Amino acid sequence: DTGVSQDPRHKITKRGQNVTFRCDPISEHNRLYWYRQTLGQGPEFLTYFQNEAQLEKSRLLSDRFSAERPKGSFSTLEIQRTEQGDSAMYLCASSLEGVAGLKFFGPGTRLTVL
Amino acid sequence: GNSVTQMEGPVTLSEEAFLTINCTYTATGYPSLFWYVQYPGEGLQLLLKATKADDKGSNKGFEATYRKETTSFHLEKGSVQVSDSAVYFCALSDGSSNTGKLIFGQGTTLQVKP
Repeated sequence: DTGVSQDPRHKITKRGQNVTFRCDPISEHNRLYWYRQTLGQGPEFLTYFQNEAQLEKSRLLSDRFSAERPKGSFSTLEIQRTEQGDSAMYLCASSLEGVAGLKFFGPGTRLTVL
Repeated sequence: GNSVTQMEGPVTLSEEAFLTINCTYTATGYPSLFWYVQYPGEGLQLLLKATKADDKGSNKGFEATYRKETTSFHLEKGSVQVSDSAVYFCALSDGSSNTGKLIFGQGTTLQVKP
């Protein structure tokens, strides 16, 4: 069990560019969650998957954001036409269905939009 | 909607002092409650949890009791160490109690001085 991994760890981009982040969950976990954390705040829920199905999306997730989890394994989060307000830490977590809370968070991808 | 309110920080204590970080919540139904910790430069870690009223979660000398009557889940530790310096987040499960969809408080920074 190598834990939840995320790639890249840091991303600097210019406003208007597209970026994509990857999350590899713990292999036997069927649920995968994305959160966003801005400086000085707690994480905010963005979306989650059960296997390959995206079951819920937050209203925070504008049309510029899209997430996928093909084949129910790794997940990608894409942000199109990035804005400075997208600068944040993007966290991924995984769990088994029916478990309360999230024990396994990834290290996060820090996005800076210039 | 559901929400979590934490006491504002930073909280500054001397080593071996008693710690209390207040957390109150607003929720419909019967959420599970959590405390997470984020050490400097590290990822989010689950510290403890309680899944029903009057449950006490405990870990590493930290404790919190799920108080439905006061809608609170205060974090306590009898004797803090410098190594406890971190940001602490209170959170609740949004919707079903057995979910990774969480609502976090804004975080409380703890600084422990030798």
